[in-house]
Amino acid sequence: GAVVSQHPSRVICKSGTSVKIECRSLDFQATTMFWYRQFPKQSLMLMATSNEGSKATYEQGVEKDKFLINHASLTLSTLTVTSAHPEDSSFYICSARRQTLEKLFFGSGTQLSVL
Amino acid sequence: GENVEQHPSTLSVQEGDSAVIKCTYSDSASNYFPWYKQELGKRPQLIIDIRSNVGEKKDQRIAVTLNKTAKHFSLHITETQPEDSAVYFCAATMEYGNKLVFGAGTILRVKS
Repeated sequence: GAVVSQHPSRVICKSGTSVKIECRSLDFQATTMFWYRQFPKQSLMLMATSNEGSKATYEQGVEKDKFLINHASLTLSTLTVTSAHPEDSSFYICSARRQTLEKLFFGSGTQLSVL
Repeated sequence: GENVEQHPSTLSVQEGDSAVIKCTYSDSASNYFPWYKQELGKRPQLIIDIRSNVGEKKDQRIAVTLNKTAKHFSLHITETQPEDSAVYFCAATMEYGNKLVFGAGTILRVKS
């Protein structure tokens, strides 16, 4: 099956700093990538939909200026958490979809801890 | 928008017994319903999926049923094993199969 790589797997940062998370589709071109956030013992909540070459579409309640998404190529999307605060601590996970299929392939996730 | 409800939130079964998890969805336009298994700190793994033109699908010990009229679908695991213990999520598509909306999850514990 398709492989989606996510980096880093774990990051600890101080409050106020920015953190960049990368999501790469290794063996297919992903015109669309999705970013999810998962708090402990909760479900995956869609944050935004990222389309290559265009601005991301954010879900209601997600601050686009705080969670910057860039999908500059067909194999890479990045999520930058700007001025991170402890309440941003969560498991962030990306997924990618091949254009002709409905299956989503998930990245390995990034555990963000903001001190 | 789409809303997916999942029950139960936790389920404990004895090894060898069957487990059933149920989900309902609100958007009659949804056409794809995957089930994911997630272990702690890991990515969700697709275990089975079903499209709206099919009523049932089976893969070894796992099966999924879909009732479009009632807008609900269920995951059935037979002959459960301790390694089946995990969190299971149902999901449904919306907006032309672009986004997935997830249920709240079910913690399955298989006791040996």
